[in-house]
Amino acid sequence: DAEITQSPRHKITETGRQVTLACHQTWNHNNMFWYRQDLGHGLRLIHYSYGVQDTNKGEVSDGYSVSRSNTEDLPLTLESAASSQTSVYFCASSDAGVADTQYFGPGTRLTVL
Amino acid sequence: AQSVTQLDSQVPVFEEAPVELRCNYSSSVSVYLFWYVQYPNQGLQLLLKYLSGSTLVKGINGFEAEFNKSQTSFHLRKPSVHISDTAEYFCAVAPINAGNNRKLIWGLGTSLAVNP
Repeated sequence: DAEITQSPRHKITETGRQVTLACHQTWNHNNMFWYRQDLGHGLRLIHYSYGVQDTNKGEVSDGYSVSRSNTEDLPLTLESAASSQTSVYFCASSDAGVADTQYFGPGTRLTVL
Repeated sequence: AQSVTQLDSQVPVFEEAPVELRCNYSSSVSVYLFWYVQYPNQGLQLLLKYLSGSTLVKGINGFEAEFNKSQTSFHLRKPSVHISDTAEYFCAVAPINAGNNRKLIWGLGTSLAVNP
């Protein structure tokens, strides 16, 4: 069965370190999204991609970057981790248009000390 | 621009009681509408969506939602809830025919707590 996976599931890091969160989907979907989820803020879009070599900034992109070198993967990099980036991060993918269902990964809980 | 308001941040209810989770949206163009559910310590999954046609949409796990264009609402209902329905519920919209946009606009979520 097709799926979307995230790794690691839990990560503790220190302020200033670079961190990369992996997202891998086997749906062969064009669209991939990174969200963060914080109490009181719901889901906020960090970056998204509509295809290979395409990346776009979301509403809370400062301090984050992504790259899309193939269809299956969209890694999220925190260039210099800050305590404000402590959060739960979700990756999602969808097939083509905006009406298509977004499929979510299980999430990565990141703690920045 | 679009926005989504989920009118209740928390809804406590007893098992086997009916429940309604309210969602209003604002948009100058027509929209698609979605409800997603997030069970504890999991990612989100689609409950149901309205794209066109009948305004009453049935989803998984006995949930349904009704699109009301005049009131710009898309409320989620279930006639009898179970303990296993305890979860966070998110309403989302997306503008139709908005060029290449494939992003959703999300509400802040409603936490449904079903008590025995």
